[in-house]
Amino acid sequence: ELKVEQNPLFLSMQEGKNYTIYCNYSTTSDRLYWYRQDPGKSLESLFVLLSNGAVKQEGRLMASLDTKARLSTLHITAAVHDLSATYFCAVTTSGTYKYIFGTGTRLKVLA
Amino acid sequence: DAMVIQNPRYQVTQFGKPVTLSCSQTLNHNVMYWYQQKSSQAPKLLFHYYDKDFNNEADTPDNFQSRRPNTSFCFLDIRSPGLGDAAMYLCATSRERGAAYIQYFGAGTRLSVL
Repeated sequence: ELKVEQNPLFLSMQEGKNYTIYCNYSTTSDRLYWYRQDPGKSLESLFVLLSNGAVKQEGRLMASLDTKARLSTLHITAAVHDLSATYFCAVTTSGTYKYIFGTGTRLKVLA
Repeated sequence: DAMVIQNPRYQVTQFGKPVTLSCSQTLNHNVMYWYQQKSSQAPKLLFHYYDKDFNNEADTPDNFQSRRPNTSFCFLDIRSPGLGDAAMYLCATSRERGAAYIQYFGAGTRLSVL
């Protein structure tokens, strides 16, 4: 059974600081996704990572994928308050249309 | 313009009173999903359709049913809602094939059970 774990579960950080969220998954996966969710809102797709070594960047967020280690990271550079949200990673397995979500990381950026 | 539309945004029902949530899409995607998300938890997949092929998750209660009358619409029926069914229900779609199976989410329906 495919399992997806994130850490940390909660992250409180100061504006201007850097930090990394980790996403580990238990079996081979061919695609990894990062989503953002604001309180009471739906999920917004941030990144799709398709291959080993893939790196995507958007603003202060950068995501990477290491399929050999079964690890993805979401790096936050010089955090700002607007980044406060819950971030989920999700993986799919080849040939299925099922997404397995991680536990989520609740990020709070303090001014 | 919204591509995955859920109605209603908020739904209040009484314990045991059937309720239907709707989802429509303008993306012409083959795959549609229903997720249940409770507070501070990850979305939990209830079922998904690949075209008309229905795929139920093993742990989805029988109380939850779904219909997909055509490509654009999908419904979630909760036959006898219990207090534990209060949650956000998210509909999502994805393409059959493509560079990546990106999911597009609707805004969600927040269900309250009194």
